[in-house]
Amino acid sequence: DAGVTQSPTHLIKTRGQQVTLRCSPKSGHDTVSWYQQALGQGPQFIFQYYEEEERQRGNFPDRFSGHQFPNYSSELNVNALLLGDSALYLCASSQESGTGVCDTEAFFGQGTRLTVV
Amino acid sequence: ELKVEQNPLFLSMQEGKNYTIYCNYSTTSDRLYWYRQDPGKSLESLFVLLSNGAVKQEGRLMASLDTKARLSTLHITAAVHDLSATYFCAVDIDSNYQLIWGAGTKLIIKP
Repeated sequence: DAGVTQSPTHLIKTRGQQVTLRCSPKSGHDTVSWYQQALGQGPQFIFQYYEEEERQRGNFPDRFSGHQFPNYSSELNVNALLLGDSALYLCASSQESGTGVCDTEAFFGQGTRLTVV
Repeated sequence: ELKVEQNPLFLSMQEGKNYTIYCNYSTTSDRLYWYRQDPGKSLESLFVLLSNGAVKQEGRLMASLDTKARLSTLHITAAVHDLSATYFCAVDIDSNYQLIWGAGTKLIIKP
């Protein structure tokens, strides 16, 4: 089992550009959460996808959007990049139980390091 | 708004010593997680604490949860250099894996 995989691992973009990050969840997992981790800080929750819909969202602007595909993989899109968007973007996958409560721990991918110049 | 506070934020200690990292959170939650992060790496799950009074131990690390005090602790016993890393606590809102994170405690253990 490859676990949670993210691509690319590193990315350099120019201000104003758009970027797409990808995440494949751990086998058997159907829920994907995205986090932004700035250097020296704790991760910040961006949003969570389940059944191809955004279920929860943190305090991030609409420039941040996402998608989940039928195979449970997910994309994070960021438009009109700002210098402040430079960070490590982490994807976490988990398994939703039938009651609507995630009752297993989430597993994190290795992250995508985005640098905006 | 849920806030999670860790202290200390930085800790330098000698091998063989004991120390405790504290994690306070501001609203009710029954799910708390501890993660380890090495420089430039992703997050490694250490402990999942799901109820008041939960205590879990793995090697030289022990974590506990007091939901009434809204406090979790991560205790390090007889520290070794390999435990040098940044440790995060994270609280789960609504038990659906929307995690709110502390700022992290950077731990340096000197030989």
